[in-house]
Amino acid sequence: GQSLEQPSEVTAVEGAIVQINCTYQTSGFYGLSWYQQHDGGAPTFLSYNGLDGLEETGRFSSFLSRSDSYGYLLLQELQMKDSASYFCALTGGGNKLTFGTGTQLKVEL
Amino acid sequence: GAVVSQHPSWVICKSGTSVKIECRSLDFQATTMFWYRQFPKQSLMLMATSNEGSKATYEQGVEKDKFLINHASLTLSTLTVTSAHPEDSSFYICSAADPGLAGGPHNEQFFGPGTRLTVL
Repeated sequence: GQSLEQPSEVTAVEGAIVQINCTYQTSGFYGLSWYQQHDGGAPTFLSYNGLDGLEETGRFSSFLSRSDSYGYLLLQELQMKDSASYFCALTGGGNKLTFGTGTQLKVEL
Repeated sequence: GAVVSQHPSWVICKSGTSVKIECRSLDFQATTMFWYRQFPKQSLMLMATSNEGSKATYEQGVEKDKFLINHASLTLSTLTVTSAHPEDSSFYICSAADPGLAGGPHNEQFFGPGTRLTVL
């Protein structure tokens, strides 16, 4: 099977940069995605890494290292609205997603 | 982006009754949809893959006779929780990938807004 571990909670101040790590165990996958979920809401797509390296999308960047079974999401210029849960997810066969344990990000003034 | 809707957004039912949740892709056709369950403060757990015109495939540990899935058209999948019990109370979310975006740089799935089920 697949498993993905994330820190349960991260706290940062508005305007700062925060990194959310994701370590995984899998026998094979196509890529690593990141999703944001506000309380009671639907997950929304943030970023995807099909290859090793850094992908940048506005204030969000994501990194993947297959050799280290590791990825991270980097959020820059933090805003209060970024307070949410963040999930990494592996894409397997049939486009199925296996989600990580999730990280609750709290942005403080 | 592609839009996925769910209905109802919340439902309260008595123990032993059945509840049907609908998932619709509004502006694209989805041959495959996915159903997830999320308990409070936990991650999303894939329950099953819904395939248009064929039987759903269930993840290990998910009772197919309890969670009935029907994918009768390219825009609609339904999940029926049969004989619901309080332990089935959860947030049920569906998702779909837009095949029109397949092969692009992303591998994005679009999620419905979720259905909060409370079984009394």
